[in-house]
Amino acid sequence: DAMVIQNPRYQVTQFGKPVTLSCSQTLNHNVMYWYQQKSSQAPKLLFHYYDKDFNNEADTPDNFQSRRPNTSFCFLDIRSPGLGDAAMYLCATSRGQGQGRSTDTQYFGPGTRLTVL
Amino acid sequence: RKEVEQDPGPFNVPEGATVAFNCTYSNSASQSFFWYRQDCRKEPKLLMSVYSSGNEDGRFTAQLNRASQYISLLIRDSKLSDSATYLCVVRPNDYKLSFGAGTTVTVRA
Repeated sequence: DAMVIQNPRYQVTQFGKPVTLSCSQTLNHNVMYWYQQKSSQAPKLLFHYYDKDFNNEADTPDNFQSRRPNTSFCFLDIRSPGLGDAAMYLCATSRGQGQGRSTDTQYFGPGTRLTVL
Repeated sequence: RKEVEQDPGPFNVPEGATVAFNCTYSNSASQSFFWYRQDCRKEPKLLMSVYSSGNEDGRFTAQLNRASQYISLLIRDSKLSDSATYLCVVRPNDYKLSFGAGTTVTVRA
């Protein structure tokens, strides 16, 4: 059974039209992450939540926002998508607890591929 | 300088061959190290963690050299199913992971 679920798997939007990507998890993990990955590039962390605490990366554009209404769900909102925002968006989760924090494994969802027209 | 650097390849090898590649990382205080595998247009999946003493998982062997700040992955007896992009991943602190851009391996029949 899928543990980290992302919807939709493919999203097409128009330039400047807001879009929301969804992630849910059945692992009851404390930490949820959003990454952006462009073709042939490394996944780039946008932000993460530890429980309800939001942690934004310094170089994440203001155009990207996130919400985590409860433990299971996390959303990525792109307020005004540009052509350069076309990418795969990956959601990941990890336990984030205990002594094993430094070896905390991240589990990735299948990703949402965003196309901007 | 990128936090994690990898030779993008591709490494084209015949079935049954051994292939090895490295990555280097810039943050000497990095805590943990991993290799992830990513198939085309799919999500990264954890292949193995990398321990200071080196470790094996079947046909895969990972080594860590903290003094030189590099990590290696060796694949023995390559299978067609090993064709993928291998991402070198370093945890500089707490929850963050720093990914390399990946090394592409293609195993041919």
